[in-house]
Amino acid sequence: DAGITQSPRYKITETGRQVTLMCHQTWSHSYMFWYRQDLGHGLRLIYYSAAADITDKGEVPDGYVVSRSKTENFPLTLESATRSQTSVYFCASTREDEQYFGPGTRLTVT
Amino acid sequence: AQSVSQHNHHVILSEAASLELGCNYSYGGTVNLFWYVQYPGQHLQLLLKYFSGDPLVKGIKGFEAEFIKSKFSFNLRKPSVQWSDTAEYFCAVKSSAGNNRKLIWGLGTSLAVNP
Repeated sequence: DAGITQSPRYKITETGRQVTLMCHQTWSHSYMFWYRQDLGHGLRLIYYSAAADITDKGEVPDGYVVSRSKTENFPLTLESATRSQTSVYFCASTREDEQYFGPGTRLTVT
Repeated sequence: AQSVSQHNHHVILSEAASLELGCNYSYGGTVNLFWYVQYPGQHLQLLLKYFSGDPLVKGIKGFEAEFIKSKFSFNLRKPSVQWSDTAEYFCAVKSSAGNNRKLIWGLGTSLAVNP
């Protein structure tokens, strides 16, 4: 089925470990986004990408790295996970300004 | 800088009550406006959107919103809520000028509907 998939859906990791969250879309939308959702903070933009090989920082990029070698994939890497990065992470893509969201990854850093 | 304000952080209603959630934005130019809903444990999905035309927009599940340009507002309404409307509601805005596809998000309103 067409849409956005994220993996893993749940992840527990330890402080200091590297973690990569995957995002895959089947529509070939140009723009893709990574958000984190935390109680009291709503959705905060981490990184976004306008096309393959074009990425830019959002509101809260520190501690995260992204890449986009192919249009359909937009992985998010936590280089050295910290407890403050415990959150729910959503990937989204955009068509005509409407954003389509993936199911989310719940990440816990212990 | 652009911002979106959702005045009600938590709303509790009984079934069949009417709903109005406020959303105000700060941007002087032409905007595209959105309401998204997030049901418990799920991802965000679009409720309705306004790009141009009739300022009264109808969305899914009986929701509607009215764009009032002079008030920079885009309030969400539903005449009679159901228990299944319990969810988090987010208002979002984008400048319709330029190619940047970023949305500016409100902090969300948590709606609990009691049966």
